[in-house]
Amino acid sequence: GAGVSQSPRYKVAKRGQDVALRCDPISGHVSLFWYQQALGQGPEFLTYFQNEAQLDKSGLPSDRFFAERPEGSVSTLKIQRTQQEDSAVYLCASSLVGTGGSNSYEQYFGPGTRLTVT
Amino acid sequence: GDSVTQMEGPVTLSEEAFLTINCTYTATGYPSLFWYVQYPGEGLQLLLKATKADDKGSNKGFEATYRKETTSFHLEKGSVQVSDSAVYFCALITDKLIFGTGTRLQVFP
Repeated sequence: GAGVSQSPRYKVAKRGQDVALRCDPISGHVSLFWYQQALGQGPEFLTYFQNEAQLDKSGLPSDRFFAERPEGSVSTLKIQRTQQEDSAVYLCASSLVGTGGSNSYEQYFGPGTRLTVT
Repeated sequence: GDSVTQMEGPVTLSEEAFLTINCTYTATGYPSLFWYVQYPGEGLQLLLKATKADDKGSNKGFEATYRKETTSFHLEKGSVQVSDSAVYFCALITDKLIFGTGTRLQVFP
């Protein structure tokens, strides 16, 4: 029973480079979430997918951030033209059921990708 | 908007001491409440949850009671162990999961 996996675990990018972060959710999980966790802070919501549909992207901080989940399984978070303020741990989580009224599901988190922009 | 406030750390305790980490929330509607734990080098794990007022969540000796009248969900443990050293996050969910800033717990033998 594999959990949520993320790759790479660590990424160093020069300012201005594009990066792509991958998330493999638990098999069969409908919902997938991306969070950004700055140093010393709690995770902050970025975006949410139900299957392949991106239902909420209200937390994406700028149009440099883009997420996709084309086949309703693996997801990629892409950051274009990285800036130093993008340095953070990016967490992916998945859950079995969707939201929209249900408030008792459990999200399973991956280990995160630590992005450092120099 | 919805938010979670938890006590700042670090909280430093000796083994077998009593633990309380305070958490209060602001939310429209009726959120579910959670405590997540992040052990060193590991991902976030759900520790316990409560879905309605007066529910008590419990796991691994930790407890928290959903108090609607005080909008609180304080985490308690009667006797901490060194292995409980971690960062603890209080969180709520209405339409999305919202976390507090985390409280680092350090337990010394």
